[in-house]
Amino acid sequence: GAVVSQHPSRVICKSGTSVKIECRSLDFQATTMFWYRQFPKQSLMLMATSNEGSKATYEQGVEKDKFLINHASLTLSTLTVTSAHPEDSSFYICSGSGLANNEQFFGPGTRLTVL
Amino acid sequence: AQSVTQPDIHITVSEGASLELRCNYSYGATPYLFWYVQSPGQGLQLLLKYFSGDTLVQGIKGFEAEFKRSQSSFNLRKPSVHWSDAAEYFCAVGGGSNYKLTFGKGTLLTVNP
Repeated sequence: GAVVSQHPSRVICKSGTSVKIECRSLDFQATTMFWYRQFPKQSLMLMATSNEGSKATYEQGVEKDKFLINHASLTLSTLTVTSAHPEDSSFYICSGSGLANNEQFFGPGTRLTVL
Repeated sequence: AQSVTQPDIHITVSEGASLELRCNYSYGATPYLFWYVQSPGQGLQLLLKYFSGDTLVQGIKGFEAEFKRSQSSFNLRKPSVHWSDAAEYFCAVGGGSNYKLTFGKGTLLTVNP
């Protein structure tokens, strides 16, 4: 149980376009979802925390107007990278929590490449 | 603020040898502690976790970790490493009302035949 999926797994886009990444909890209700980014050979850095039906809380240094997060239901959160630039190329990982101990369950990640 | 230190960036062991990956944390209360493994280009796989109770935690793939409050440590161990264990290992600490996780920088494990 406690499976989280992400779509797409890989995306390549042109600079200046917007990209949407979906994160779904498949077998539990994720009252809170988290978005991380991971640069090559580095650790995961938390970008934002979102609670269902509320605005996301962004970590310091993360541009909320560039990384739009929507958590419209208990099973779906989306991250939209607006006006993407090559420096936004990264591995984006989501997680959901809503079960005992608020444990986070991670999705498989989305590799974004901006040309 | 919570933080995690993984002192070893890269460790190389021979197949069949024992392994210990170090993790030290800073947290103001009783922490939730996790070890994850990540293969190249893949997501995170949970190896084991500590919430409370027995301080020696057993995980998947033959891994175990011991929570030592006095040393603020949660080191990961395996008695005999297999070539398939080569990967990046992340220690994480969680807590707070949103149970945000803070990750260490990771330890890359190389296994020699």
